[in-house]
Amino acid sequence: KQEVTQIPAALSVPEGENLVLNCSFTDSAIYNLQWFRQDPGKGLTSLLLIQSSQREQTSGRLNASLDKSSGRSTLYIAASQPGDSATYLCAVRPRGQNFVFGPGTRLSVLP
Amino acid sequence: SQTIHQWPATLVQPVGSPLSLECTVEGTSNPNLYWYRQAAGRGLQLLFYSVGIGQISSEVPQNLSASRPQDRQFILSSKKLLLSDSGFYLCAWSRGQGASDTQYFGPGTRLTVL
Repeated sequence: KQEVTQIPAALSVPEGENLVLNCSFTDSAIYNLQWFRQDPGKGLTSLLLIQSSQREQTSGRLNASLDKSSGRSTLYIAASQPGDSATYLCAVRPRGQNFVFGPGTRLSVLP
Repeated sequence: SQTIHQWPATLVQPVGSPLSLECTVEGTSNPNLYWYRQAAGRGLQLLFYSVGIGQISSEVPQNLSASRPQDRQFILSSKKLLLSDSGFYLCAWSRGQGASDTQYFGPGTRLTVL
């Protein structure tokens, strides 16, 4: 059974810092991995999707990498801003199954 | 462009009462549809998914049920709510279940069972 963990559970940084969020999964047989952002009381917003054949994806200040063999993904946020404050969730899609979500990392960027 | 709607946004119900949450998608046809629950301090749990009208798959046995009466409409129901049904319910859609298919989420419904 696929399990997804995220470290750290919470993170607080000053504005302007670069930061890395980590996601680990137990089974490397995946179709893709997706990073989402969730603001308090809101739905999830898709940030980046990395297919199993890809190593990384970039969107603006965000860069996500995937290392299937080690069961890891990282989300790199450059020059963090207070507006980046949210919970970030990682989800993997095992082959032939639906997405499995991690518990999320709650990020606070302090002005 | 595609949009996904959920209603109501907030709901407070007594234990033992019925439930009906609705989700509709606009701007696409034959989407895959999903119901998730997010309990306080816990991750997202997939409850049901549907690949077509009348086709429902349940991921977790419980007192909830789902129906898809129209292509872009997904309904979550219960005949008698339990306290443990409280949570944040999210509907999502995707074009398919391939490697490049993203899931798009609705705004959610906050359910409190008293």
